Amino acid sequence: GNSVTQMEGPVTLSEEAFLTINCTYTATGYPSLFWYVQYPGEGLQLLLKATKADDKGSNKGFEATYRKETTSFHLEKGSVQVSDSAVYFCALMSGGSYIPTFGRGTSLIVHP
Amino acid sequence: NAGVTQTPKFQVLKTGQSMTLQCAQDMNHNSMYWYRQDPGMGLRLIYYSASEGTTDKGEVPNGYNVSRLNKREFSLRLESAAPSQTSVYFCASRPSTGSNTEAFFGQGTRLTVV
Repeated sequence: GNSVTQMEGPVTLSEEAFLTINCTYTATGYPSLFWYVQYPGEGLQLLLKATKADDKGSNKGFEATYRKETTSFHLEKGSVQVSDSAVYFCALMSGGSYIPTFGRGTSLIVHP
Repeated sequence: NAGVTQTPKFQVLKTGQSMTLQCAQDMNHNSMYWYRQDPGMGLRLIYYSASEGTTDKGEVPNGYNVSRLNKREFSLRLESAAPSQTSVYFCASRPSTGSNTEAFFGQGTRLTVV
């Protein structure tokens, strides 16, 4: 079956530090890959996505590249802000399936 | 465009009481989902509806029932609430065609069972 593994948090950084949150996956076929963000007290919202190998998704300074050879989709940002403090979820969707597969989420805390 | 709307936002129940969580989407999506989110557990799928007229169990269906009332609405019912059902509940929807479409989430219902 499909699965997504994320690094455990919390990840604690100072403002302007470099961020990496690791995500690896197991899936049949050629899934699409997603990063969602959940701000405190809110629901999840899409941050970025990539639908085929070597695609790079980007949004709000965040980037992730679909690496089929390493089955990874690591999230990166060059300079985090306090407002980036949130929980980040990696997810995949396989063709022919109705159910998205989510990782457990990684909490990011950014200090001024 | 409201997206996915959940009601209520907060609820406190006594053990044994029943309630229905409401969810509606205005994006003409075929698939809808109910998740619960607990600390350290990520999102766990309770039930889903691949299309209007169908519902299926997810990972943690015990103690819950669902109704896909029409294409827009997907409700979750707790018949006899238990403290273990204290959680944050999220409804989501997505177009069912294609793997490249994301899910859209509601704001959540924070439920406490005492």
